[in-house]
Amino acid sequence: DAKTTQPNSMESNEEEPVHLPCNHSTISGTDYIHWYRQLPSQGPEYVIHGLTSNVNNRMASLAIAEDRKSSTLILHRATLRDAAVYYCILIGGAQKLVFGQGTRLTINP
Amino acid sequence: EAQVTQNPRYLITVTGKKLTVTCSQNMNHEYMSWYRQDPGLGLRQIYYSMNVEVTDKGDVPEGYKVSRKEKRNFPLILESPSPNQTSLYFCASSFVGGGSLLGHEQYFGPGTRLTVT
Repeated sequence: DAKTTQPNSMESNEEEPVHLPCNHSTISGTDYIHWYRQLPSQGPEYVIHGLTSNVNNRMASLAIAEDRKSSTLILHRATLRDAAVYYCILIGGAQKLVFGQGTRLTINP
Repeated sequence: EAQVTQNPRYLITVTGKKLTVTCSQNMNHEYMSWYRQDPGLGLRQIYYSMNVEVTDKGDVPEGYKVSRKEKRNFPLILESPSPNQTSLYFCASSFVGGGSLLGHEQYFGPGTRLTVT
């Protein structure tokens, strides 16, 4: 599976939008982009996924660059509950998720 | 409620004493998997199963066994635990479309914290 690069940490304020970047310059044409998050003391939780087009769901939006070499997870209005480690993962047919180090998101009240 | 359950949640044991961590899902998922999470190493896959009686090794299978006799259950067996298996373990499950995880979310259990002394 292709590798992803994320910032180690980010900080934002409550009720403000958060943009979490992910670079995946070696992505292949069939790789799906998945985002998971892990809240403290919990298992990973699915957030969103996409292939080529931008995606929205009740939790977040996923903006995918036209060349697919990068993507951005958007939390439209961060709450304290969104403080977690966010993982950007590419899935290209292998039967596993390969988790990198992720981005630790801190939300300030 | 759709969920993946693991038992026990916490376990302290001694080297060499066989143990089993159970995992069960109620979503009729074909795919199930075990991961371990260690500081600085992230989450790594131990074993996975694409369906009943079909299991395969992940990245770190040494010292572990699994079985998939029923669709809902995927126990992780440590025949002779050692201190380097002290870790946080997660079970996960997912639908499989066309034989692949592409486009399908994985559901994770709450984790089992294992300490081997």
